[in-house]
Amino acid sequence: EVQLVESGGGLVQPGGSLRLSCAASGFMFSDHHMDWVRQAPGKGLEWIARSRNKPSGHTTEYAASVRGRFTTSRDDSKNSFYLEMNSLKTDDTAVYYCSSSAVGNCHDHWGQGTLVTVSS
Amino acid sequence: DIQMTQSPSSLSASVGDRVTITCRASQDISTSLAWFQQKPGKAPEALIYAASSLQSGVPSKFSGSGSGSDFTLTINNLQPEDVATYFCQQYINYPFIFGPGTKVDI
Repeated sequence: EVQLVESGGGLVQPGGSLRLSCAASGFMFSDHHMDWVRQAPGKGLEWIARSRNKPSGHTTEYAASVRGRFTTSRDDSKNSFYLEMNSLKTDDTAVYYCSSSAVGNCHDHWGQGTLVTVSS
Repeated sequence: DIQMTQSPSSLSASVGDRVTITCRASQDISTSLAWFQQKPGKAPEALIYAASSLQSGVPSKFSGSGSGSDFTLTINNLQPEDVATYFCQQYINYPFIFGPGTKVDI
């Protein structure tokens, strides 16, 4: 059974930093692209970052709203995926989901999400 | 960036009805279109990829169609457990953009 479990969310002050983790199991992690998608309270879904799979060289893509502030990484030996968030703004307040994408598919599995609140 | 629109933004239907949701892309995205279901307070779940391919484990009451810029999600025999918000998303170009969602009620 595929499982994605996010952790690391919490309350942080504007300008602060936070690191989210996503622990994956039940599938060949290195073969899958991994994404972060967020959802602000009462709002829709926003894709923010991708780490491509091992055959694609683990290259990354970012949404303009987080580029230069957020960095995504992965450790295939630990089946883990990360999001380093710096210079956080109140607009970054959201539930952050990690998702996996098999080649040719898109977000076929999702974690339960972790809430990040940016507030003073 | 490719923009995604959905219609209607919300709908109310009866148990047993067939429901159709439309998603439109601002440019040709071929069949790089996915649909997701999000129940209240829950994480999204994948329904459809490549515009018309059913995700593993998803009931056949859900179906998708379309290519280019116009797509539809159809839910047959609507049931109370189908109450959710449905999102489309293009994944041909970065940034991947989701539609604004369609809220389905009974």
